[in-house]
Amino acid sequence: AQTVTQSQPEMSVQEAETVTLSCTYDTSENNYYLFWYKQPPSRQMILVIRQEAYKQQNATENRFSVNFQKAAKSFSLKISDSQLGDTAMYFCAFRRETSGSRLTFGEGTQLTVNP
Amino acid sequence: NAGVTQTPKFRILKIGQSMTLQCTQDMNHNYMYWYRQDPGMGLKLIYYSVGAGITDKGEVPNGYNVSRSTTEDFPLRLELAAPSQTSVYFCASSQTVPNQPQHFGDGTRLSIL
Repeated sequence: AQTVTQSQPEMSVQEAETVTLSCTYDTSENNYYLFWYKQPPSRQMILVIRQEAYKQQNATENRFSVNFQKAAKSFSLKISDSQLGDTAMYFCAFRRETSGSRLTFGEGTQLTVNP
Repeated sequence: NAGVTQTPKFRILKIGQSMTLQCTQDMNHNYMYWYRQDPGMGLKLIYYSVGAGITDKGEVPNGYNVSRSTTEDFPLRLELAAPSQTSVYFCASSQTVPNQPQHFGDGTRLSIL
């Protein structure tokens, strides 16, 4: 079974600075998909970024980028130029390549952006 | 642009009561999921469905039942509510292709007293 570990329950960063959230996972699969979701106080689950394991290039979405290290089974999220609206719980999630497979979530990291 | 719609948003139940959480999506997604999120925790899968008439258990299915009679709807039923089922429940849907993300509803906050 796959497991996803987020070792930082809470983090804080000053507005406009850069912060990196860690995520590691355990799997015997070779092809899979990784996601970061954001959950603000409104409780909505919002997709931030995704990465296909077969792609060597790290995914980037505006201020959000990942550092995907397949051999190390690591998938960290970097947020540049942090904004107050980035304050949220961030979840790392893993999905197998098999169609219909479910997401396995980490426990989350609460990020607070301070003014 | 409705996406995934969950009703109700909030509900308080007494121990032993039953209720159905409704979930509907208008994106023609074959895959639908029910998760629960306990305070300060990640999401755990309760049940999922890969198409109308097909459902399967997730990590924490005890105390719940589901049905999938149409592509659009995936209700979750709680029988004999217990305090341990106090949680926030999320419904999600996705396309068949596994690299596509799941789209989530806004959640239902359920308290069992």
